[in-house]
Amino acid sequence: DSGVTQTPKHLITATGQRVTLRCSPRSGDLSVYWYQQSLDQGLQFLIQYYNGEERAKGNILERFSAQQFPDLHSELNLSSLELGDSALYFCASSVGVSNQPQHFGDGTRLSIL
Amino acid sequence: KNEVEQSPQNLTAQEGEFITINCSYSVGISALHWLQQHPGGGIVSLFMLSSGKKKHGRLIATINIQEKHSSLHITASHPRDSAVYICAVRGYGQNFVFGPGTRLSVLP
Repeated sequence: DSGVTQTPKHLITATGQRVTLRCSPRSGDLSVYWYQQSLDQGLQFLIQYYNGEERAKGNILERFSAQQFPDLHSELNLSSLELGDSALYFCASSVGVSNQPQHFGDGTRLSIL
Repeated sequence: KNEVEQSPQNLTAQEGEFITINCSYSVGISALHWLQQHPGGGIVSLFMLSSGKKKHGRLIATINIQEKHSSLHITASHPRDSAVYICAVRGYGQNFVFGPGTRLSVLP
């Protein structure tokens, strides 16, 4: 058990909809990372937050947004969903802001019909 | 050319064999991570390296910054080591780039 909790585990929705994925980091970790894993593109880094502030941005689409709240949990919002957004979305956390081992959640599997 | 390449793509070994998985990258990095993804999908971080060598149990990871190359070694391999091993680098711009993964099957 990594200590990182992601909800929901599975999500099925339709094109054009909006969903929110939630991540609670391991106790004591201040950084939260979001990743997308699709069959055709592998793992991709989306965004990192550290203690409530955005610290690094990867291949995150404009339709996607994230935030980290004062209690350090994070949410990834995906809107105007397209079939290609179907993927596993992982959250990870680490103690510090950079170059620290990361602890991964079990992922949220998003299926767009 | 992809920024992060791994070899081999697929690897089948007999239990007890010594295994090496290679990762080459083309950008300047601040750190390199080795990840293990089990058949069920869960990801475990094995190592984070910025120089030298690290060892944890039967796993050893090395990095050569000048040659932009890292290796992951598994000694005395076991069927439970069967997984996809993924190399990821963090550039100075703080972005992460992932390799395509190496699928390892260890047969009893």
